[in-house]
Amino acid sequence: DAGVTQSPTHLIKTRGQHVTLRCSPISGHKSVSWYQQVLGQGPQFIFQYYEKEERGRGNFPDRFSARQFPNYSSELNVNALLLGDSALYLCASSLRQGFTGNSPLHFGNGTRLTVT
Amino acid sequence: AQKVTQAQTEISVVEKEDVTLDCVYETRDTTYYLFWYKQPPSGELVFLIRRNSFDEQNEISGRYSWNFQKSTSSFNFTITASQVVDSAVYFCALVPPYNNNDMRFGAGTRLTVKP
Repeated sequence: DAGVTQSPTHLIKTRGQHVTLRCSPISGHKSVSWYQQVLGQGPQFIFQYYEKEERGRGNFPDRFSARQFPNYSSELNVNALLLGDSALYLCASSLRQGFTGNSPLHFGNGTRLTVT
Repeated sequence: AQKVTQAQTEISVVEKEDVTLDCVYETRDTTYYLFWYKQPPSGELVFLIRRNSFDEQNEISGRYSWNFQKSTSSFNFTITASQVVDSAVYFCALVPPYNNNDMRFGAGTRLTVKP
């Protein structure tokens, strides 16, 4: 089975532009979460979507938004890009809204965004 | 507040040495989960172990072992007889009970195993 897939793998944008990142969860997984990982730091929680509804939001400005589609794939949108938005953006999927048993989050390889 | 501290930024060892990665956490919740993930250069986070706050048993999985001590709020990870393939960044993470997907990660420890 395919793991969590993210596209694109790398992206270069200019300050003020908008970016859309995409994520396809593992087949059968209904929950998708987004994390931002700035160089040298641990990932930080941005959003969680389950059954196409936002179920959690981290401490990020309104420039960050996301949505989940009927096929459970997801997009992360960032408007008015700042230099500080340069990071690795990780998508993770899980079977349910919360993990139970041995169902941890499964992470993709991420999209590396560079803002110049 | 929920917080994870990994005080060791970088560790370098020679192959076959044992190495322990430290993790200290802060939480006011009585129920929580602790995790360790490995991040190789490819970027994905690879799940290693999950522990809930009521299970203080230490765990061994091959060359990996984990020591969970609630009294010191620590969840340390030991690699025995390290190998070059163990080189990666290792993250400890804490999950609160109210949102299982809101993982609070430490800053990570970069482990380099030299041949």
